[in-house]
Amino acid sequence: EADIYQTPRYLVIGTGKKITLECSQTMGHDKMYWYQQDPGMELHLIHYSYGVNSTEKGDLSSESTVSRIRTEHFPLTLESARPSHTSQYLCASGQEKLFFGSGTQLSVL
Amino acid sequence: AQKVTQAQTEISVVEKEDVTLDCVYETRDTTYYLFWYKQPPSGELVFLIRRNSFDEQNEISGRYSWNFQKSTSSFNFTITASQVVDSAVYFCALSEWDGNKLVFGAGTILRVKS
Repeated sequence: EADIYQTPRYLVIGTGKKITLECSQTMGHDKMYWYQQDPGMELHLIHYSYGVNSTEKGDLSSESTVSRIRTEHFPLTLESARPSHTSQYLCASGQEKLFFGSGTQLSVL
Repeated sequence: AQKVTQAQTEISVVEKEDVTLDCVYETRDTTYYLFWYKQPPSGELVFLIRRNSFDEQNEISGRYSWNFQKSTSSFNFTITASQVVDSAVYFCALSEWDGNKLVFGAGTILRVKS
């Protein structure tokens, strides 16, 4: 059973707002990831972290930023949301296999 | 660069039919890992299997089986006697040697009708 949590589950906001998507895991994993899933279902890696104070950009360019101040917490922030940011955001952690959270469905109007 | 291709966008079967989901991958690494994940309507990705590139043995877990063939760079997934609860999106994925940074295929929607 995966112990990785994402909040909020759904978020509808207006253009220009700053938002933070939360992701927490209680499994003590050093490695954490953010994936963006578009309506066509494909998942793309946008950020990852291999430990505290370590963050890297993924294969898909994203205007979002992440931080890793604590092992269990890996939030994703959008400083100024736009309609093009509308998507499902999935957080994951793990070593030999990834455990995924339930995702945040973000809609920017 | 690594790439995963799931050519079947959507498959519909009737309950109790067997169904095979295809996965073809590309990588220059000699050591890599292959995965299958299931995404039910709830949205969470559920891990099904992980296989390293040196282990070509096929695996069976209940109604699920996986056929790994390095010669054709394929890692196909078969569900025997499908059930309505198997309806979901299934993703094949590939990672580099340390099992991190998964690259996913586009996914296959499986619809099992009663």
